[in-house]
Formats: sequence, C-alpha cells, structure tokens
Amino acid sequence: AQTVTQSQPEMSVQEAETVTLSCTYDTSENNYYLFWYKQPPSRQMILVIRQEAYKQQNATENRFSVNFQKAAKSFSLKISDSQLGDTAMYFCAFMGWQGAQKLVFGQGTRLTINP
Amino acid sequence: DAGITQSPRHKVTETGTPVTLRCHQTENHRYMYWYRQDPGHGLRLIHYSYGVKDTDKGEVSDGYSVSRSKTEDFLLTLESATSSQTSVYFCAISEPYLGTSGRGDEQFFGPGTRLTVL
Repeated sequence: AQTVTQSQPEMSVQEAETVTLSCTYDTSENNYYLFWYKQPPSRQMILVIRQEAYKQQNATENRFSVNFQKAAKSFSLKISDSQLGDTAMYFCAFMGWQGAQKLVFGQGTRLTINP
Repeated sequence: DAGITQSPRHKVTETGTPVTLRCHQTENHRYMYWYRQDPGHGLRLIHYSYGVKDTDKGEVSDGYSVSRSKTEDFLLTLESATSSQTSVYFCAISEPYLGTSGRGDEQFFGPGTRLTVL
C-alpha cells in the first residue's frame, strides 16, 4: 500500500518570503501522479499543482513549483513571494496510474503567512 | 467550479442513530468518493464508486455503507453512529476517460459536511 508522509505539521513565514513544504511517499509503482492540495479556512479543497511521475521536468504554476525526486520518492512544494492568501493547510497526495484513481493523502502542513 | 454539493453541511446527532450524507454532482463523472478528514490524518478514503451500483471499500470503511443508484448521487450511511465517526466528510468526483483529451487525473471536491456524534 502506498503511504504519504508530511513531516512538518506547522510552518510560519513572513509575507514575500519563499517557503518549502516537504513530502515523501512510498510506492512500488513506476507510473503515478502526485498532487498538492490547499485547504483554506473555508475548508474547500483546491488543487495547487500536479506532477506525472513519467515527466522529468518539475511542474510549475505561477508562484508554486515542485521539486520532484523520483528515486528519493520526494515531492516538495515551493511557494515563492508568499502572500497572506497562501495561509492554509497543504496536503500532499498520491494517485496510482491504474484503477480507481484513489488518492492517498499526507497528514498535512499548516502554513501561516505573517504580515 | 465543479458542480458538487453535499447535504447536510452540518449535523449533530447522538450515538446509535443512523445518519445519511448525500453527495450530488452535475458533471456526469463516473467515479465518486467519500473521504473523512481528521486532525493528524489528512483525508482518508472510506468508500468509492466506479459506476452506478458499483462500489468498493477504502481504507477506513468499517461502520460505513454506501449506495449509488444514479450517476449523480452517492450516499454515505452510518448505520449506528459512534463518537469516533465525528469528522468532516468530503465527497469527490473524477472522470478518467476523456476520449481524445487523454486521461483525466484530477479529483474535484465538494464543500464538506461537519458531523458531530455526541
């Protein structure tokens, strides 16, 4: 079974700083997807960024980028020029390539951006 | 935003009572999921459905049952609620088959239901 681990329960940075959230996972599959979801106080789950394991290039979405290290099974999220609106819980998630597209989530990291 | 609604949004009930949560989608997506969110655990899969009347268990299925009689509705039932089932419940949908557009991989989430079992 796949597992996802986020080792940072909480993080706090100043506005405009860069912050990196860590995620490691365990799987025996070769092809899969990895995701970062954001959950603001509204409780809505929002997809931030995705990475297909077969792609060597790291995904980027505006201020959000990932560092995907397949051999190390590591998938960190970097937020550049952090904004107050980035304050949220962030979840790393794994999805297998085949079958029912079930998501396996990490425990989450609570990120606070301070003014 | 994907058309996913959950009802009720909040519910307080007593131990031993039956509870049914409803997820409704307007996207005609094939797959539907129920997750629960608890502090320190992230979201964990309870049950999922891969078509009408086709369901399967997830990681934390004990004490829960599901039904899907129509594409758009996925019901989660707690036959006899316990305090350990106090949680926030999320429904999600996905559609892996996008024809010439390739394979879909994104799950879209509903707004969640906060359930408290006293």
